[in-house]
Amino acid sequence: DQQVKQNSPSLSVQEGRISILNCDYTNSMFDYFLWYKKYPAEGPTFLISISSIKDKNEDGRFTVFLNKSAKHLSLHIVPSQPGDSAVYFCAASNSNTGNQFYFGTGTSLTVIP
Amino acid sequence: KAGVTQTPRYLIKTRGQQVTLSCSPISGHRSVSWYQQTPGQGLQFLFEYFSETQRNKGNFPGRFSGRQFSNSRSEMNVSTLELGDSALYLCASSPGSGTGELFFGEGSRLTVL
Repeated sequence: DQQVKQNSPSLSVQEGRISILNCDYTNSMFDYFLWYKKYPAEGPTFLISISSIKDKNEDGRFTVFLNKSAKHLSLHIVPSQPGDSAVYFCAASNSNTGNQFYFGTGTSLTVIP
Repeated sequence: KAGVTQTPRYLIKTRGQQVTLSCSPISGHRSVSWYQQTPGQGLQFLFEYFSETQRNKGNFPGRFSGRQFSNSRSEMNVSTLELGDSALYLCASSPGSGTGELFFGEGSRLTVL
């Protein structure tokens, strides 16, 4: 039962343009969300988080949007850079239950120079 | 500050054997979580330990077990290995609350022959 879904396995974007990665979840009890980036042979690296009390969080080139009614979040990267090429995972949890996060299957982003 | 350290990085076992993986969290972090990553499945939550107690458990058979020591270091054990246990096992540490990021190690790559 995949409670967090990333329906696009891959995405290609030109350097300098916007990358939009999407994530859907099914459990309405999720109230805390994370995005991670992962390079091959490395552990995931934290990018940005958002709590359900917000609908937007920004950190430099990265912005996460949360639509609670649609149970949907998205990560925007502007402008995209070749070094952003990696696999991106979204993760969700119910903050009252500790650190049990449900991860999506990932989206492989390729930024073309 | 040293990151999350996992050992061994790579190991090969045969079916029926058992394996123990080790994780040293970031100093001061009291929560340690374990995830299994397989192709196409994303990261699947195994369990979380907090102050030596298992706080959460994912949907894995009893062959998968873990523990946490008083210094917050954690081990996970898989007994009676099956081919399907071949995966990257990731450990993540966190200060402890349910609204903080997870800091991942580089993982232990297990191959079962």
